[in-house]
Amino acid sequence: SAVISQKPSRDICQRGTSLTIQCQVDSQVTMMFWYRQQPGQSLTLIATANQGSEATYESGFVIDKFPISRPNLTFSTLTVSNMSPEDSSIYLCSVQRTGDTEAFFGQGTRLTVV
Amino acid sequence: DQQVKQNSPSLSVQEGRISILNCDYTNSMFDYFLWYKKYPAEGPTFLISISSIKDKNEDGRFTVFLNKSAKHLSLHIVPSQPGDSAVYFCAALINFNKFYFGSGTKLNVKP
Repeated sequence: SAVISQKPSRDICQRGTSLTIQCQVDSQVTMMFWYRQQPGQSLTLIATANQGSEATYESGFVIDKFPISRPNLTFSTLTVSNMSPEDSSIYLCSVQRTGDTEAFFGQGTRLTVV
Repeated sequence: DQQVKQNSPSLSVQEGRISILNCDYTNSMFDYFLWYKKYPAEGPTFLISISSIKDKNEDGRFTVFLNKSAKHLSLHIVPSQPGDSAVYFCAALINFNKFYFGSGTKLNVKP
């Protein structure tokens, strides 16, 4: 398994501001992902964080709204920009090692936008 | 377009009995299927998986069954324990690098 540290664990933010979520893994991993879980919904993939290049975004998610950095194989950040109440969700960092079928998750960031 | 569906948002079971959680999918190209357990304020934790070429995988109290013709899988927990109370997510993996998740089933095991 992988130990994933995600912070902050929760935050309450004013609309129009931005929040950066950090994800630190205890070992090098090939794949890092960012998910969103809205209340009562499934986990929705926002993007795959690529080391040394731009993230790969899923349909419905754009870089201007969710800029992602991945400077090395153990660390990534997700920024939720210009927040609105609709961005209130749990945001989850996930990693997958080469050859593994399972993914591992951080503890999540519960974001409330007021 | 939700490719993985969990149609039961909640399930309540008596301690010691069997819990059966169900999941349906639409894409026959999925390589693996997984179950995750999630406690409040924690991230999902991997529980058990099954390859698309198998029909059963067992790990202790947990067994996953795959019915490819019906595009259906289920997780059996026997015997259920109060500590099993959590939200269970079904997930499917394609190309070994993209996951699709169901919406979760909240299991409550009553003492």
